[in-house]
Amino acid sequence: GAGVSQSPSNKVTEKGKDVELRCDPISGHTALYWYRQRLGQGLEFLIYFQGNSAPDKSGLPSDRFSAERTGESVSTLTIQRTQQEDSAVYLCASSRRAGDGDEQFFGPGTRLTVL
Amino acid sequence: AQSVAQPEDQVNVAEGNPLTVKCTYSVSGNPYLFWYVQYPNRGLQFLLKYITGDNLVKGSYGFEAEFNKSQTSFHLKKPSALVSDSALYFCAVRDISGNNRLAFGKGNQVVVIP
Repeated sequence: GAGVSQSPSNKVTEKGKDVELRCDPISGHTALYWYRQRLGQGLEFLIYFQGNSAPDKSGLPSDRFSAERTGESVSTLTIQRTQQEDSAVYLCASSRRAGDGDEQFFGPGTRLTVL
Repeated sequence: AQSVAQPEDQVNVAEGNPLTVKCTYSVSGNPYLFWYVQYPNRGLQFLLKYITGDNLVKGSYGFEAEFNKSQTSFHLKKPSALVSDSALYFCAVRDISGNNRLAFGKGNQVVVIP
């Protein structure tokens, strides 16, 4: 079956503009995660969704960041009034469940560049 | 909160030699441990995981890792490195009694020299 897909693959925007990043998880995966990977650094957790439960938003760096998920399907990560420090690769992952030992499957990422 | 340390920035190894990538972790309870690999301009790929049972875990592409509870380590190993193993390797941990998020290390760049 298809893996996790993300769009766009690259996004260049001007400082102050809003951007929306999309993630399509693997069908049947109830858990969905967003991470940020800055150049030369590890993955920084942003948010995760588990089914219809309230999302864990504790990793979002500021109120300019928000994310939504429709049921157990597509998720969008929105960054408002982008800043240069938002430049990074944004990775989405999904797993069958958020608990237990299920591994996460990652998408190819969206490379965001804020000029 | 859980955390992972990958102490080396880069690991250089000659092709055919054993490869080891180090990882130590910190959790308040028992851990679930994972290794992922990232090739250039690609997403992370799952290699292997430790959940319970045998401390030696075998995974994809000939990699294995050993869970050592007393040393809180989960080092990744491969007996004979290939040039194609050159990539960025991430260790991750989840506290099974805590929240559901994974904590990732900063990653280790592995360079296999022909």
